[in-house]
Amino acid sequence: SQELEQSPQSLIVQEGKNLTINCTSSKTLYGLYWYKQKYGEGLIFLMMLQKGGEEKSHEKITAKLDEKKQQSSLHITASQPSHAGIYLCGVNSGNTPLVFGKGTRLSVIA
Amino acid sequence: NAGVTQTPKFQVLKTGQSMTLQCAQDMNHEYMSWYRQDPGMGLRLIHYSVGAGITDQGEVPNGYNVSRSTTEDFPLRLLSAAPSQTSVYFCASTRPRKGYTFGSGTRLTVV
Repeated sequence: SQELEQSPQSLIVQEGKNLTINCTSSKTLYGLYWYKQKYGEGLIFLMMLQKGGEEKSHEKITAKLDEKKQQSSLHITASQPSHAGIYLCGVNSGNTPLVFGKGTRLSVIA
Repeated sequence: NAGVTQTPKFQVLKTGQSMTLQCAQDMNHEYMSWYRQDPGMGLRLIHYSVGAGITDQGEVPNGYNVSRSTTEDFPLRLLSAAPSQTSVYFCASTRPRKGYTFGSGTRLTVV
């Protein structure tokens, strides 16, 4: 089965700083999804990456897919308190359901 | 559109009791899935369905049953609740190769 490793597990950054979260897959990536979860709430879809080298942005959040490394990175520029939460990456192979990493817990302090 | 609706939002059960967590979507999505989320474990797949009448097991299916008689509904049944099933349960739906839409979750405590 495909496994995902997210790093770091948790992150505390000062407001205004940039940060990067990584997601590495044990198998070839066909589709990688990034979600955000505010504490105690459901998951919000951020973006989906399907092709090697693909890069997408959602407000101040940018995600890239490195197919050769079987890895995706999520970069937040000028972090704000509204960025705080748990970031999860998920992958699927063909038509199989999403398999998720364990998440990265982000705290943004003033 | 309501999206994915889960009920109830909170539930407390006694060990051995059974119950059904409801999930409904109004987007005509073919795929539906149930996940459980536990601290430090991320989201783990319980059961999923690729269409009405078709279900399959995920990573942690033991103690749970599902059925998919309509496209809209995908209930999750706990047969005999155990404390190990204390968790937050999420239902999700999607079309193939599209972003999943998640419900707001059901927080279940088994005492």
